[in-house]
Amino acid sequence: NAGVTQTPKFQVLKTGQSMTLQCAQDMNHNSMYWYRQDPGMGLRLIYYSASEGTTDKGEVPNGYNVSRLNKREFSLRLESAAPSQTSVYFCASIPRLAGVGGANVLTFGAGSRLTVL
Amino acid sequence: GENVEQHPSTLSVQEGDSAVIKCTYSDSASNYFPWYKQELGKRPQLIIDIRSNVGEKKDQRIAVTLNKTAKHFSLHITETQPEDSAVYFCAATRKNTGNQFYFGTGTSLTVIP
Repeated sequence: NAGVTQTPKFQVLKTGQSMTLQCAQDMNHNSMYWYRQDPGMGLRLIYYSASEGTTDKGEVPNGYNVSRLNKREFSLRLESAAPSQTSVYFCASIPRLAGVGGANVLTFGAGSRLTVL
Repeated sequence: GENVEQHPSTLSVQEGDSAVIKCTYSDSASNYFPWYKQELGKRPQLIIDIRSNVGEKKDQRIAVTLNKTAKHFSLHITETQPEDSAVYFCAATRKNTGNQFYFGTGTSLTVIP
């Protein structure tokens, strides 16, 4: 039981290049999220997927796209990377809808450190 | 949407002293408030949480209090130890927000041996 697995752990891109961050969870969780973490700014939600087949924008979606490939996998794509997208990216998941009974515990992946030159 | 503010941004305490971190939120409908601890270079991990129908919750040296009227909640760590040094994040969410957790900007806690 690996939990939430993100790849790659580190990536350096040049401005304008594209890349996809991969995320997979093996906990049968319904909802998945992508956050970015920048110094002094906490964790900001980029996109989320409440359930398989649905995706929605979070606080900072510009410059990103996502795909919920199946229940396990949720990928984040940067089509044309910019220096402002230099950050640490975290994927996370929860079992069911936040606030609806039961566990709301966000389980995070180990993070992906992206540098855009 | 919800706005969560967290203070202080940095906090240094002597080992054995208590540490208090405070958060305020704007959406009166928020009903779930978790606290996450992030050690350097690692992922955030839940340490304690509280729901809006409870005013206080304690787990060994860690406690969280919630004041719904004032819309603020606090993390209390007693008898601090060097291993408590980390960044702490508060968050808020509620039913039917589409699963959005709103995080504070974090508090870097240093426990001085």
